Amino acid sequence: QKEVEQNSGPLSVPEGAIASLNCTYSDRGSQSFFWYRQYSGKSPELIMSIYSNGDKEDGRFTAQLNKASQYVSLLIRDSQPSDSATYLCAVNTNAGKSTFGDGTTLTVKP
Amino acid sequence: SAVISQKPSRDICQRGTSLTIQCQVDSQVTMMFWYRQQPGQSLTLIATANQGSEATYESGFVIDKFPISRPNLTFSTLTVSNMSPEDSSIYLCSVELVRFDEQFFGPGTRLTVL
Repeated sequence: QKEVEQNSGPLSVPEGAIASLNCTYSDRGSQSFFWYRQYSGKSPELIMSIYSNGDKEDGRFTAQLNKASQYVSLLIRDSQPSDSATYLCAVNTNAGKSTFGDGTTLTVKP
Repeated sequence: SAVISQKPSRDICQRGTSLTIQCQVDSQVTMMFWYRQQPGQSLTLIATANQGSEATYESGFVIDKFPISRPNLTFSTLTVSNMSPEDSSIYLCSVELVRFDEQFFGPGTRLTVL
């Protein structure tokens, strides 16, 4: 089992729809959770961080964390073509290092 | 956040040679990391660059192949030694700010080994 698993994708949604990206992790002691966006040919860019159970909203983005289920998700509302990218889930373990998932590629079609 | 630069941005190298990649940050940071990202794949942590002491390498990565220097809190280098085509990849440095473990990445170095 991978330490951080993401739905394999690719994920395609129409413009204006909600995109839902999911991630599960294996280390129950994990404390910090992140979503990065990576455009093709660019480096990852931090878009959301979440540390406690529940929802955290930032503009069109909502991160959801459920530590009991070891699950973290990212919702993108009113998806735009500019949201087309690979989204990486990262989990910080007690060892203090971030482990990244393989990423989910999102395409938003106009 | 932090402003991070890497040099070179890309290079094409011959098998058996070595390349040193530089990472410069605009502020002092405690934690610096080096990652590799092969085409279409996710990030793999190579090592944590420790200031004033030897780097901490992840499983599968060794100091002889990937020597790292961290002379101060704003700068680090990664050398890819005795390169083979399998080393062709994007190499990324990242920094972790004290606040909340958030990482910020440099623009990356695209390495092609012929």
